[in-house]
Order: sequence, then structure tokens, then C-alpha cells
Amino acid sequence: AQSVAQPEDQVNVAEGNPLTVKCTYSVSGNPYLFWYVQYPNRGLQFLLKYITGDNLVKGSYGFEAEFNKSQTSFHLKKPSALVSDSALYFCAVRDRGQNFVFGPGTRLSVLP
Amino acid sequence: DAGVIQSPRHEVTEMGQEVTLRCKPISGHNSLFWYRQTMMRGLELLIYFNNNVPIDDSGMPEDRFSAKMPNASFSTLKIQPSEPRDSAVYFCASSLEAGRYEQYFGPGTRLTVT
Repeated sequence: AQSVAQPEDQVNVAEGNPLTVKCTYSVSGNPYLFWYVQYPNRGLQFLLKYITGDNLVKGSYGFEAEFNKSQTSFHLKKPSALVSDSALYFCAVRDRGQNFVFGPGTRLSVLP
Repeated sequence: DAGVIQSPRHEVTEMGQEVTLRCKPISGHNSLFWYRQTMMRGLELLIYFNNNVPIDDSGMPEDRFSAKMPNASFSTLKIQPSEPRDSAVYFCASSLEAGRYEQYFGPGTRLTVT
């Protein structure tokens, strides 16, 4: 069965510094990988996805993520964090069938 | 497009009462998902539909929960009877196809059972 790990419950970073939110996965075959963000009292919003092709994918709000097949990772990154990036971030993985799962979420706090 | 629409946005009810949550997916999307989110358990998938057919309901907690999708533009999640431990935020999401396409989430229904 597929699974997703987000090893950090909380990530703190200073405004202007680069940020990384980690995600590792386990799935049979080639995965579809997604990142979502949740702001307080809102539903999840799609940020970016990896389906195939270039391992580096770019998404909304300046975020990007790199698919690393050998390390089964899909870490979310941003070169310069903003206070407004503070939110809950979810990684999700889907196999080529009907099975998918969300990670437990990582709370990002960007400090001014 | 208005996005995924959920109603009500807030529901407060007494234990034992029936609760019905409603969802209108984005037009043209053929996959629909119901999730529950709590601090303790995080985000849980309850059930999802493809083309109005339930595909995976293994996340439905127990027989008190039921979900229907009578047509492509409407779904309900019903809890009968409700219990305090059902208190959570319930999200509905839809996507073009439950695979390579991202899900679009509604604003959620905050349910409080007293």
C-alpha cells in the first residue's frame, strides 16, 4: 500500500531565508505526487504536482519541488520565504491505479 | 467557476440528531471526495466517487455514516445518529479524474455535536 511521510511536524524559518518542507513516499510503480497548502479556516489549495518529465516542478506562489526517484522524495522548496507562507502543507501521493494518500501535514511558520 | 460549494458552513447539533452535509462539485469534474479533519487524527479520506459511483468507502467510520451521489452535481454525507466524537471539519473535494489531476477543495463544514 502507498504511504506518505512528512518527517517534520513543524518547520520554522526566518523571512527571506530559503525553506524546505520534506516529503517521502512509498508506492508501487511510478507515482503521481502533489503538494497542497491549507491556510487557517480554509480548505486545501493545490500548489504543484509531478506527473512525469522534468524532475523539478514549479507551482504557485514561487514554490517548487524536486522529484527524486532514488530517494523516493518530493521536497517542497522556496528560495525566499514570506510571512504569508505560514500555513499547513500536505504532500500527497497516488499510484497509477485508484489509490492515493495524504501525508500528516507540516506546519510552516515564517518569522518576521 | 464558483469552485466546490459546501453547505452548511457551520452546523451545531445535539447528540442523536441526524446531520446532512451537502456538496456541489466543480462542473465537469467526475471524481468527488469526502474528508474529515480533526486536530487529533488529521485529514482522513472518508469516501470517494468516480462518475457518481462509490469507489472506496473504507474510511467511513461506521454505519452511522452514509454518502450518496445521485447525480454529477450533488453529493451528501449523512450522519445518523450523530455523536460528540463526530465533531470535525468536513471537506468535499472534486477533480477531473481521480488520478493525475489535482483535487479542488471546498471551504468545509464545521460540525459541532454537543
